[in-house]
Amino acid sequence: DVKVTQSSRYLVKRTGEKVFLECVQDMDHENMFWYRQDPGLGLRLIYFSYDVKMKEKGDIPEGYSVSREKKERFSLILESASTNQTSMYLCASSRTYEQFFGPGTRLTVL
Amino acid sequence: SQKIEQNSEALNIQEGKTATLTCNYTNYSPAYLQWYRQDPGRGPVFLLLIRENEKEKRKERLKVTFDTTLKQSLFHITASQPADSATYLCALDGTGGYNKLIFGAGTRLAVHP
Repeated sequence: DVKVTQSSRYLVKRTGEKVFLECVQDMDHENMFWYRQDPGLGLRLIYFSYDVKMKEKGDIPEGYSVSREKKERFSLILESASTNQTSMYLCASSRTYEQFFGPGTRLTVL
Repeated sequence: SQKIEQNSEALNIQEGKTATLTCNYTNYSPAYLQWYRQDPGRGPVFLLLIRENEKEKRKERLKVTFDTTLKQSLFHITASQPADSATYLCALDGTGGYNKLIFGAGTRLAVHP
């Protein structure tokens, strides 16, 4: 069974902290994505990666960076967390059209 | 810019009836459209994909239509069950390749016994 896992289900951080969200997929997919989901706004693409060490900005990249050193792992980094980054963060991977999502990380920044 | 609209109000229906959810889009001509199901506290799960040259697609109790003239997709669940209660998201292929998707905000469906 295909699987996308995320390092934490719930995370609470302080303003200004550096935050790492990890995502691992076991399907050998080339494409990986990071989204945030907020009520009424749907999923918004932060960054995506189409190969190891390759990354592209999505629609809302400000305040975030990513790292993809291995094919199966895609990390989202909040360099200096702010309260407006409180959200649900979802990772996904794909080979063709269908995206497979992880369970999400609910991040609260105080 | 591309815009996707789904009914933000929850849809409440009785068990056994057909649920119909709507997805409208503007400023774009997608090559395909997808529907996902999302349960509370979980990531979305893929349900169906329909291409621009397909008018209708079925999978068990699910049916999706795609009208490129109206720029609209309809998602039907026949003989609905309480277990169908969830939020349903529609997604269009985004520009720039790499299978990027643009998601609507979703419509919550509640099926009552």
